[in-house]
Amino acid sequence: ETGVTQTPRHLVMGMTNKKSLKCEQHLGHNAMYWYKQSAKKPLELMFVYSLEERVENNSVPSRFSPECPNSSHLFLHLHTLQPEDSALYLCASSGQGNMGNTIYFGEGSWLTVV
Amino acid sequence: GENVEQHPSTLSVQEGDSAVIKCTYSDSASNYFPWYKQELGKGPQLIIDIRSNVGEKKDQRIAVTLNKTAKHFSLHITETQPEDSAVYFCAASRGYSTLTFGKGTMLLVSP
Repeated sequence: ETGVTQTPRHLVMGMTNKKSLKCEQHLGHNAMYWYKQSAKKPLELMFVYSLEERVENNSVPSRFSPECPNSSHLFLHLHTLQPEDSALYLCASSGQGNMGNTIYFGEGSWLTVV
Repeated sequence: GENVEQHPSTLSVQEGDSAVIKCTYSDSASNYFPWYKQELGKGPQLIIDIRSNVGEKKDQRIAVTLNKTAKHFSLHITETQPEDSAVYFCAASRGYSTLTFGKGTMLLVSP
């Protein structure tokens, strides 16, 4: 149990579907992240939310749409994805303050686009 | 921005041997260096971290060393066991900036 819970763990969707990934953190953190991990590339930071405000968006295509309704929940809305979007999507959270930027990951959501 | 290089990309050792993974970073202002272990089918888990005011940190069989002058840091695993087999990631950041990760090292420990 990492304190960061992601659902679903596995998702198969067609290119015309709309689906969402959900993340919930139970660590009292105030920053949340979406990362993409695929076989051919290292961990790619997609979005960062701090205090429910998006503070970083690393040139992610608009077919990925994040939502952070509160500091404990983060969503990634998916629509009209491409097969190359198949990957492991990792949610993470961190606190702020003098302790630096330790981030804690969830177990990930495996996404397959067919 | 920060750039983190990690070597080797794969490492095979016999059970009981030591394993060393090395990372270099480019931003001399970076002050936080965590290491993550990712087992098959799971998310990365923090295993140890070090801050720039410390040169070495140890936790049982795992140790991390930091050389600020040379801008490199290393993960040392002693008495390796098959359950140490995983992908290991180093990372670096400064202040409140987001972490920059290395590309990962796949460690295989053979019985």
